[in-house]
Amino acid sequence: DAGVIQSPRHEVTEMGQEVTLRCKPISGHNSLFWYRQTMMRGLELLIYFNNNVPIDDSGMPEDRFSAKMPNASFSTLKIQPSEPRDSAVYFCASSLGTRFEQFFGPGTRLTVL
Amino acid sequence: GESVGLHLPTLSVQEGDNSIINCAYSNSASDYFIWYKQESGKGPQFIIDIRSNMDKRQGQRVTVLLNKTVKHLSLQIAATQPGDSAVYFCADSTGANNLFFGTGTRLTVIP
Repeated sequence: DAGVIQSPRHEVTEMGQEVTLRCKPISGHNSLFWYRQTMMRGLELLIYFNNNVPIDDSGMPEDRFSAKMPNASFSTLKIQPSEPRDSAVYFCASSLGTRFEQFFGPGTRLTVL
Repeated sequence: GESVGLHLPTLSVQEGDNSIINCAYSNSASDYFIWYKQESGKGPQFIIDIRSNMDKRQGQRVTVLLNKTVKHLSLQIAATQPGDSAVYFCADSTGANNLFFGTGTRLTVIP
């Protein structure tokens, strides 16, 4: 298995633009997590899904952020409109259930100018 | 909510020495703990985990100790190597909840 796959690896965009981050979890894993990492705030959980259903989205900063998981092998995190303060590394992780070891993807480094 | 914090943000050790990274948690109901290692430019990578019914668990060159009385968790790395230089995160979980990550400790190994 290739592990958790995220795309793009790097994204540079201008303020106000829509940004879509993509994640393919490890096959067979039923939980998927989106995190944001910054120097100031560390690793923050944004949202997690169990069996494609969003369980807890309390970490989503505001309505500009949305996440979907249309099937077991794909999830997106969308920011619309993007702002400079959204600049961060966004990680996707998957696991067998919400309490088992989470396997992280390589992350997407987002820069909003 | 749960709170996982680290005593020291940075730690420097000499190559070959043992490293000890500490972590405190606040929720006495936490029953699952995990350590991750994050190298520069990469995602966190699982190191070792421990459940609350255990006090100690050993892996390859790593040992995790859990002291539930004082709500303290530590990661010991034996014979630290340059490749161990990274940021180390502890995380805890309660019941069926997801993991909550601490702020991380940066370990620097001096050759």
